[in-house]
Amino acid sequence: QSVLTQPPSVSAAPGQRVTISCSGSTSNIGNNYVSWYQQLPGTAPRLLIHEDNKRPSGIPDRFSGSKSGTSATLGITGLQTGDEADYYCVTWDSSLSAGLFGGGTKLTVL
Amino acid sequence: EVQLVESGGDLVQPGGSLRLSCAASGFTFSRYWMTWVRQAPGKGLEWVANMIHDGSLINYAESVKGRFTISRDNAKNSLYLQMNSLRAEDTALYYCARVSFEDEGMDVWGKGTTVTVSS
Repeated sequence: QSVLTQPPSVSAAPGQRVTISCSGSTSNIGNNYVSWYQQLPGTAPRLLIHEDNKRPSGIPDRFSGSKSGTSATLGITGLQTGDEADYYCVTWDSSLSAGLFGGGTKLTVL
Repeated sequence: EVQLVESGGDLVQPGGSLRLSCAASGFTFSRYWMTWVRQAPGKGLEWVANMIHDGSLINYAESVKGRFTISRDNAKNSLYLQMNSLRAEDTALYYCARVSFEDEGMDVWGKGTTVTVSS
């Protein structure tokens, strides 16, 4: 059971928009930045969003991040079949003095 | 080219030890926090440990505290993970990652090295 809670799976049709939530607490999301990672099958994770809502260079603006209180959200618009992957939120936990991954969300593009 | 290459993964018996290495190239290694992350077969990602650029600050996940030791040699552009008292639940693909942004924003990852703990 992860300290950061993500839905196990989400799905949407090509071209549609999907959101993935990540719920935590004041010791982690509430007071620290959140980053988001995409992991395609058989590959290493890739950074999509850092510091809540910033995209690294090379990440398309179809990907966006937001945060409110102790929850964060990854948004993906204009879904493509190539977006099918596992998505993870990450943050720091100030009480544990440790990094935290969410349990991961499998995105299916129908 | 900015790159991280892990090595040292192997099959080891329960209770045994292993040392993983992560070779960095293409960037100034000594300026970055570095992190180890693992992924058990068919499972999600798990944060393991991190270390500040000069080695003066280290953090561990509760699951590995007292058994694993992270270290680095900036002269050799290398990060290490010494793993002792290994358990079956330590079986995983181990990644090293460069931390470029606040609170574990990891922008460069290696391909990982596999550790299997089994008798």
